Amino acid sequence: GAVVSQHPSRVICKSGTSVKIECRSLDFQATTMFWYRQFPKKSLMLMATSNEGSKATYEQGVEKDKFLINHASLTLSTLTVTSAHPEDSSFYICSARVTNGEQYFGPGTRLTVT
Amino acid sequence: GQSLEQPSEVTAVEGAIVQINCTYQTSGFYGLSWYQQHDGGAPTFLSYNGLDGLEETGRFSSFLSRSDSYGYLLLQELQMKDSASYFCAVRDPSSGSARQLTFGSGTQLTVLP
Repeated sequence: GAVVSQHPSRVICKSGTSVKIECRSLDFQATTMFWYRQFPKKSLMLMATSNEGSKATYEQGVEKDKFLINHASLTLSTLTVTSAHPEDSSFYICSARVTNGEQYFGPGTRLTVT
Repeated sequence: GQSLEQPSEVTAVEGAIVQINCTYQTSGFYGLSWYQQHDGGAPTFLSYNGLDGLEETGRFSSFLSRSDSYGYLLLQELQMKDSASYFCAVRDPSSGSARQLTFGSGTQLTVLP
């Protein structure tokens, strides 16, 4: 089946620093990946759509200069949280879309900004 | 835009059957999906309904009525490991080929011994 990995699974960083999260499709190529953010006991909120070889499409209210997305290859998308603040602490989940349109999710990255 | 409503919590006992409903309001519709998420884990795809009717996958079944903008997930022979959050989701046709998903708020299922 389609497997998506994320790295790191957990990260703690200091306020003002930047953190990069990687999302990889392990056994398939994904021209489209998605980045979500999830607060405790809440739903997944789409942040942006990552397209291989082109600029990401951000959802309304998501700062593209703060959440940098790079989809450099058909198996890798990265999300960089720049100048992180405590309010950026959250669970970040990526997904990759397979050819039939279904999405498979990574295991998530728990970001804590101190 | 898209909006989906589902109950926030459901509790049932082991071995029972539980139904989680989902109603949606969308500007377009490409089908209803269901995902399971355990605490701290990734959402896992359970089922998809593109057409009206019932889809059965083992202990889990999902139903869709497009005329009623309504679907449900049916879980049979509940097990303790089924305790998790369950999300319905629709694909956003306005997102074109990207086929973005919009998720409901999630239903926390608690299975009691």
